[in-house]
Amino acid sequence: QSALTQPASVSGSPGQSITISCTGTSSDVGGYNFVSWYQQHPGKAPKLMIYEVSNRPSGVSSRFSASKSGNTASLTISGLQAEDEADFYCSSYTSSSTVVFGGGTKLTVL
Amino acid sequence: QVQLVQSGAEVEKPGASVKVSCKASGYTFTSYDIHWVRQATGQGLEWMGWMNPNSGNTGYAQKFQGRVTMTRNNYISTAYMELSSLRSEDTAVYYCARDLSYSFDYWGQGTLVTVSS
Repeated sequence: QSALTQPASVSGSPGQSITISCTGTSSDVGGYNFVSWYQQHPGKAPKLMIYEVSNRPSGVSSRFSASKSGNTASLTISGLQAEDEADFYCSSYTSSSTVVFGGGTKLTVL
Repeated sequence: QVQLVQSGAEVEKPGASVKVSCKASGYTFTSYDIHWVRQATGQGLEWMGWMNPNSGNTGYAQKFQGRVTMTRNNYISTAYMELSSLRSEDTAVYYCARDLSYSFDYWGQGTLVTVSS
């Protein structure tokens, strides 16, 4: 199972919006509504930000939103803040009854 | 509050095995699957497999088939991940995480496993 494809890095200024893409296939992202997004700060465990394509767990800011179209999922962060700077990973359930992650995207807040 | 507390760092020689524990609290242990994810230094997240604490059923990533075993002790709400035939490429931080609809809503603090001769 190949990793999902994410851009290596994205950047934005405080207050701006950015979008991170996550491209898979019809056997994972495109075939199931089990796409998740995680934020990971250096030296910390990942934190769930989005599950089932677009659902936010309790406590996650509404500045984080997500969607899916075909084989590509997207995470949007609006009103960028300095504390948003982190690595972001997408994941998806697959047709092999496994889970696959994206390679990760480093978000830099300029 | 939900917590997953993992065992401490391990140093193992190539060819050896390592067993990492993950003690759950704050919820009914048998009601949620447990997944294991690893991360080599400076690298991305890699899913290893899952275990259903109620049934003991497991599912492993093909990459780890034959080398990984996930078990549990429901009496002490603890999940275990054992990886055998260790090689240097297995040096990583290993995380346990609770399942929420094929996503992971609570994570352990991570256990560093170093494989070195």
